[in-house]
Amino acid sequence: QTVVTQEPSFSVSPGGTVTLTCALTSGSVSTTHYPSWYQQTPGQAPRTLIFSTSTRSSGVPDRFSGSILGNKAALTITGAQTDDESIYYCMLYMGGGISVFGGGTKVTVL
Amino acid sequence: QLQLEESGPGLVKPSETLSLTCIVSGDAISSSSYYWDWVRQAPGKGLEWIGTVYYSGTTHYNPSLKTRVTISVDTSQNQFSLKLRSVTAADTAVYYCARLRWYSYGIYYYYMDVWGKGTTVTVPS
Repeated sequence: QTVVTQEPSFSVSPGGTVTLTCALTSGSVSTTHYPSWYQQTPGQAPRTLIFSTSTRSSGVPDRFSGSILGNKAALTITGAQTDDESIYYCMLYMGGGISVFGGGTKVTVL
Repeated sequence: QLQLEESGPGLVKPSETLSLTCIVSGDAISSSSYYWDWVRQAPGKGLEWIGTVYYSGTTHYNPSLKTRVTISVDTSQNQFSLKLRSVTAADTAVYYCARLRWYSYGIYYYYMDVWGKGTTVTVPS
């Protein structure tokens, strides 16, 4: 069974840049997986950041960007702010109506 | 503005069936551009996709839950529902309903664009 993997955690300084990735245990991530990214803070529902690899959802600051890097999907935060401290999840469409979330990456800004 | 609201019992006994409903307001559940999904999050864990339903009744499920899950849609009530049978303590989680945008004007998307606030379901051990 294919699993979607993300880094467990990252630390970034305020104003710094961090790139989170989303990989498959078997095969490469491509645009046909329609990668999407979600931000979640404790006790809150997820918030949609990025869809279709690189399109920002309405109201999402442009310091968040999505891409394909090599064989992975990637979320880059450029100019991190303290309120970006959250857990970030990627989701991939696997075909046949099936979606899969990654395990999430906890980002600390300090 | 579209809103989703989960409802159902907060406590379910082991071996019984967990039943939740997501009430959709602000848009018709019968829109052809969207599926309607359930996602859960166990305490301290990540998001887990449970399954999805189209307004026509077409469903797709997480293979790991498929034998215990049924998702259905009621277009007359503008709501969709989740049933999870034979629950154990491992099914304790916050359950979210969400709208999945899949297709619009010739373009495919496959992402969740609107989320409910979530409802906590506890199955005692």
